[in-house]
Amino acid sequence: QVQLVQSGAEVKKPGASVKVSCEASGYTFVTYDINWVRQAAGQGLEWMGWMNPNSGNVGYAEKFEARVIMTRDTSMNTAYLELSSLTSEDTAIYYCARRAVPGRRPGNWFDLWGQGTLVTVSS
Amino acid sequence: DIVMTQSPDSLAVSLGERATINCKSSQSLLSSSNAKTFLAWYQQKPGQPPKLLIYWASTRESGVPDRFSGSGSGTDFTLTISRLQAEDVAVYYCQQYYRTPLTFGGGTKVEIK
Repeated sequence: QVQLVQSGAEVKKPGASVKVSCEASGYTFVTYDINWVRQAAGQGLEWMGWMNPNSGNVGYAEKFEARVIMTRDTSMNTAYLELSSLTSEDTAIYYCARRAVPGRRPGNWFDLWGQGTLVTVSS
Repeated sequence: DIVMTQSPDSLAVSLGERATINCKSSQSLLSSSNAKTFLAWYQQKPGQPPKLLIYWASTRESGVPDRFSGSGSGTDFTLTISRLQAEDVAVYYCQQYYRTPLTFGGGTKVEIK
């Protein structure tokens, strides 16, 4: 079954870091970029960046560039999002999403999403 | 950044009737290199991740019912649900992938009248 399965909910204090995992199965992990998108409660979708699981190359939204790291472990078919210097404004559901188009062909829409990981930042 | 503006914020439609959702981008999403429009539509039901409906502004994803259709070009786009079903109650988002940062519209909530 083709799916992305994310790690469980996290509660963090302001100033801390969080690391969310996204395990891919049912397809060749290194073929498709993984993106991260977050959604605050009752709000819209906010793109954070992308990672190429084959090369490890990344691209971050400027808003997050100073405090986000996207990595992967190809032996475990898993992508990771680490976000540091957390504030209450980072409280949100974090989704990993697979770019539908492999390689360098144009098109950056998402055909497969993880179930989401709720990150709560509270003192 | 390309700003995506959706309208209305919400709409209530009777079962079997048409629902129309609009999305406007702050700049053209039409690529001169491949003559394609870099816009996608997603459906999100409560407690679920978004689900891809449409890409290239009008290409329906495999398995998506044909009552869903996308249209438009340049900066103005429309998602139409031709005959609303109960299972279509959701929030719908447009997304541009013309350039990074990728950006989404604010969402349109569709309910049953």
